[in-house]
Amino acid sequence: GIQVEQSPPDLILQEGANSTLRCNFSDSVNNLQWFHQNPWGQLINLFYIPSGTKQNGRLSATTVATERYSLLYISSSQTTDSGVYFCAVAPMTGGGADGLTFGKGTHLIIQP
Amino acid sequence: DAGITQSPRHKVTETGTPVTLRCHQTENHRYMYWYRQDPGHGLRLIHYSYGVKDTDKGEVSDGYSVSRSKTEDFLLTLESATSSQTSVYFCAISGSGALGQQYFGPGTRLTVT
Repeated sequence: GIQVEQSPPDLILQEGANSTLRCNFSDSVNNLQWFHQNPWGQLINLFYIPSGTKQNGRLSATTVATERYSLLYISSSQTTDSGVYFCAVAPMTGGGADGLTFGKGTHLIIQP
Repeated sequence: DAGITQSPRHKVTETGTPVTLRCHQTENHRYMYWYRQDPGHGLRLIHYSYGVKDTDKGEVSDGYSVSRSKTEDFLLTLESATSSQTSVYFCAISGSGALGQQYFGPGTRLTVT
């Protein structure tokens, strides 16, 4: 099946810093999403971005489908940004109904 | 808010007992999913449904069965729980068709002793 690799696995930053999280995938995709899991375990959908660029406040994401990677940018980090960020994809060969394959995540800690 | 609830939120059970987890949604979405989350593995798909009585297996379906008799409810059953099924279980819906954004329930923490 499709492989999803996220980097870095862990990241510790001071409040106010910027960060870039990367997601590489091994096959063409028709679905790519970014999620944030907060320290209480809740999973929040950040972006649906199989290609192109989107922005939502301090967060933005870019997917370069032809090169099989996606980037999540977090600017002016706040302590509430702490948690685990997951990239998840569905391969182009599937119909899309059969769920997402998740990477192992990037664990982000923002220190005050 | 995608209107997804899961019950129970926490459960401790003994090896060999059957367990059923329930996912309930209020917005009539066709596609529903069950994932499990374990340290070091991210989330992995167990089963999914693309309509009432239409279900299929995911990556880690062994030891699990599902049922969907109504649009709003998707049940996950562990026929005979094992310690390897200790995990956090998440239900999700797809917001607009098979390729839509997925929204997750709050999760169920299951411990099998």
